[in-house]
Amino acid sequence: DIVMTQAPLSVSVTPGESASISCRSSKSLLHSNGITYVYWYLQKPGKSPQLLIYRMSNLASGVPDRFSGSGSETDFTLKISRVEAEDVGIYYCGQLLENPLTFGSGTKLEIK
Amino acid sequence: EVQLVESGGGLVQPGRSLKLSCAASGFTFSNYDMAWVRQAPTKGLEWVASISTGGGNTYYRDSVKGRFTISRDNAKSTLYLQMDSLRSEDTATYYCARRGFAYWGQGTLVTVSS
Repeated sequence: DIVMTQAPLSVSVTPGESASISCRSSKSLLHSNGITYVYWYLQKPGKSPQLLIYRMSNLASGVPDRFSGSGSETDFTLKISRVEAEDVGIYYCGQLLENPLTFGSGTKLEIK
Repeated sequence: EVQLVESGGGLVQPGRSLKLSCAASGFTFSNYDMAWVRQAPTKGLEWVASISTGGGNTYYRDSVKGRFTISRDNAKSTLYLQMDSLRSEDTATYYCARRGFAYWGQGTLVTVSS
């Protein structure tokens, strides 16, 4: 199984500042078709997860452009610029390259 | 607007069965692979099973193979998860999700306890 390792476990950010969350996969997520199958999700308190970034760097519909994704074949970063109060929740990376689909353990973002 | 609405959760004794449903609307259901993802209380996300557009291909995590069955009725735009021989470790909120997990339902809680 592909293991997704996230860091840090939690992050506390002042509104208006930036935050970065890292995710590392135990295997390359780069498919032969050139697509890197890493995704980012946010689960706000008491809500279902929502898609933020798909295929490593593509912003999902309706997601503010303060969110961005980048990375290589095994190391990925979600960056949140100008953090707002509404960004609180748990962020998960996930790989959709192969079954079993797996997720990181989550990074909790709090506002200072 | 894409909507996924799960139902069928509840309290069930170990060893018993439960069938979850997910009613889809707002998109052409038959065009998309679908999946079930669960989340144990205070825990992270765990993929459970996926099914192809026509239902001919299904995939399961090892811990539910032989106990859970994912299926779909494209005419009714509904996804199902038949859960047999339930165990306490199956206790979780179960979400249905569209391919890529771009859309999620609100979840239905399954509690396995005597």
